[in-house]
Amino acid sequence: GEEVAQTPKHLVRGEGQKAKLYCAPIKGHSYVFWYQQVLKNEFKFLISFQNENVFDETGMPKERFSAKCLPNSPCSLEIQATKLEDSAVYFCASSQTMTLRGEQFFGPGTRLTVL
Amino acid sequence: DAKTTQPPSMDCAEGRAANLPCNHSTISGNEYVYWYRQIHSQGPQYIIHGLKNNETNEMASLIITEDRKSSTLILPHATLRDTAVYYCIVGNVAARQLTFGSGTQLTVLP
Repeated sequence: GEEVAQTPKHLVRGEGQKAKLYCAPIKGHSYVFWYQQVLKNEFKFLISFQNENVFDETGMPKERFSAKCLPNSPCSLEIQATKLEDSAVYFCASSQTMTLRGEQFFGPGTRLTVL
Repeated sequence: DAKTTQPPSMDCAEGRAANLPCNHSTISGNEYVYWYRQIHSQGPQYIIHGLKNNETNEMASLIITEDRKSSTLILPHATLRDTAVYYCIVGNVAARQLTFGSGTQLTVLP
C-alpha cells in the first residue's frame, strides 16, 4: 500500500497479559522502524529491520519485548507480560533507506493501555 | 547525535508566516537538520531537511545559520491544519534512527 498500516488502533490489556501489534510497511520499502511514545512528546526508538533481518535493536527492552518482520506478513511487535509503564502509543515507520538519507513514513500508531 | 533546543510552544495567526527556531550548538560537520511534525496524535510527518544550505519545498523553508548552530523552519502561510508539534532533529545521515526531542507545540489561531 501507499501508507503504513498499523493494527489494532487501540489495545487494552491487563497487567501481565500479552500484547501484539502489527505493522504493514509501504510496498517497496525494505526498512521498518518501531518507536514508542510514552508521554505526549517523548519518543523512544525500539528496533529497526531490513526486510526480515534485525538491523538495530539497541532500544528494545529485550526481556519482554520481541519483534519480527517475516516475508509476506505484517511486521509485529510483541510484549510478553505487559506492565503499566508499557502504556504508550507505538508507531511503526517504513523507509526506502536505513539511514537518514530518506524520510521515514509513519503509521497512525497503536495505543496500548495496560490496566 | 547533537541535542536540540526548541521553545515548548508558539502561536501564529492564520495566514501569517510561522517561524520555528531550533538551537543545535553542538552540531557536527556531517550532521543534518531534519524537521518532522506530529498533528494531534497522528504519526510524525516528514517536512524538510538540510545540511548547510537553505532548503525549500512545497511545505516549508529551512534556514540554517552560517555557523550551523541554529536553524529556523518557516511555514510561509500558516493554516489551522498546521497546528501540530514540530520536532527539530539533528542526526548523522548514516544514523539509523530518528532521535526526537521535546518539540514545539505550534498553535495557529484563526
